[in-house]
Amino acid sequence: GAGVSQSPRYKVAKRGQDVALRCDPISGHVSLFWYQQALGQGPEFLTYFQNEAQLDKSGLPSDRFFAERPEGSVSTLKIQRTQQEDSAVYLCASSFLTGRESPLHFGNGTRLTVT
Amino acid sequence: KNQVEQSPQSLIILEGKNCTLQCNYTVSPFSNLRWYKQDTGRGPVSLTIMTFSENTKSNGRYTATLDADTKQSSLHITASQLSDSASYICVVSVSGGYNKLIFGAGTRLAVHP
Repeated sequence: GAGVSQSPRYKVAKRGQDVALRCDPISGHVSLFWYQQALGQGPEFLTYFQNEAQLDKSGLPSDRFFAERPEGSVSTLKIQRTQQEDSAVYLCASSFLTGRESPLHFGNGTRLTVT
Repeated sequence: KNQVEQSPQSLIILEGKNCTLQCNYTVSPFSNLRWYKQDTGRGPVSLTIMTFSENTKSNGRYTATLDADTKQSSLHITASQLSDSASYICVVSVSGGYNKLIFGAGTRLAVHP
């Protein structure tokens, strides 16, 4: 596709429910990142994939958060037993290369609201 | 702790005026500094990226500066337009390994007619 696509665009979950957020990166992009953005704040790193390998998951806030990218393309961020503090925009970004100067392309995010 | 701080938190200017946004960082080791524009409800879009050896870079009406000695950067917007209303986020990349980015909280700019 032309850009990074995320779905759903909006998700409302009741506290305790499980949710799954999907990211379709730009075709051929090796690197994929997930970020969490609270209202009025900058994005905060959650996890990084290089192809199908999850090389860094140090930003995941708890063991309720799980991410996968089994075939090195589409990625899913799963949140189990959602809590109100999980309410945020979840951004996915991808880049063609793995280097530090590689441009990052962001999706428009999934806004998660936990009630 | 790696941190990126931006000021002001928010800014209102009139259409056609210039403005300058500030960014201070304590990220180490430093690789590069980026400015992103984020429209409401959208993902961030890259404006500029500067490495250690670059001290200025322009992208249309946007000009970013970098002083690696004082660990400061600025983003200057010339002849503002209504479409410049957005959040501007300063992002610093950590050297070593993959593309690990530290984001500032952003400056929310509103351009009024």
